[in-house]
Amino acid sequence: GAGVSQSPRYKVAKRGQDVALRCDPISGHVSLFWYQQALGQGPEFLTYFQNEAQLDKSGLPSDRFFAERPEGSVSTLKIQRTQQEDSAVYLCASSTTGDLFDEQFFGPGTRLTVL
Amino acid sequence: AQKITQTQPGMFVQEKEAVTLDCTYDTSDPSYGLFWYKQPSSGEMIFLIYQGSYDQQNATEGRYSLNFQKARKSANLVISASQLGDSAMYFCAMRGMSGGSNYKLTFGKGTLLTVNP
Repeated sequence: GAGVSQSPRYKVAKRGQDVALRCDPISGHVSLFWYQQALGQGPEFLTYFQNEAQLDKSGLPSDRFFAERPEGSVSTLKIQRTQQEDSAVYLCASSTTGDLFDEQFFGPGTRLTVL
Repeated sequence: AQKITQTQPGMFVQEKEAVTLDCTYDTSDPSYGLFWYKQPSSGEMIFLIYQGSYDQQNATEGRYSLNFQKARKSANLVISASQLGDSAMYFCAMRGMSGGSNYKLTFGKGTLLTVNP
């Protein structure tokens, strides 16, 4: 598989539970992005990594959201004490460099439903 | 700050006909990139076409072309000879240079295209 993969594809959580969403970027891609897509909306930026460094986390909606990429490849988005408003599709993307004209390749997303 | 507006929640087109999906944008960046993505029901965002703000010619990729009108701040997607497999959500997006965050994509709300046989 040469593309971006995400797991799980679907996650149902009870309100208050913690969840962890995984992203496997394309091998060798330096840059990794997380986006949140609410129902009927376009994706919104959450956070950006260049290798293992988290350079921008301005889009994370609250301190319950935490992302990491400890070895510069796989990334995990963790949401603590989930709330109903966290229900969304979480998309991961990777790119070679992250430069302005560098294409971002997206994974299939994880659909999170918080009951 | 950047903003993308897609005013058509849904569009219908007959198979084999052409369709235009509208996109207007707002930015103060002198340099920016405009993108169109397709999102089928499977959820994956598929890159279709890219237009740089300084490109003199409109971008084309197979059946996709981008009608870029810089003065009007519009970047409409034209799909020629529509196929049933074109039925999907279509998102217009942009990236600019402001604040050093040229990596950040800003998306519109999307247009749901349905191709009828």
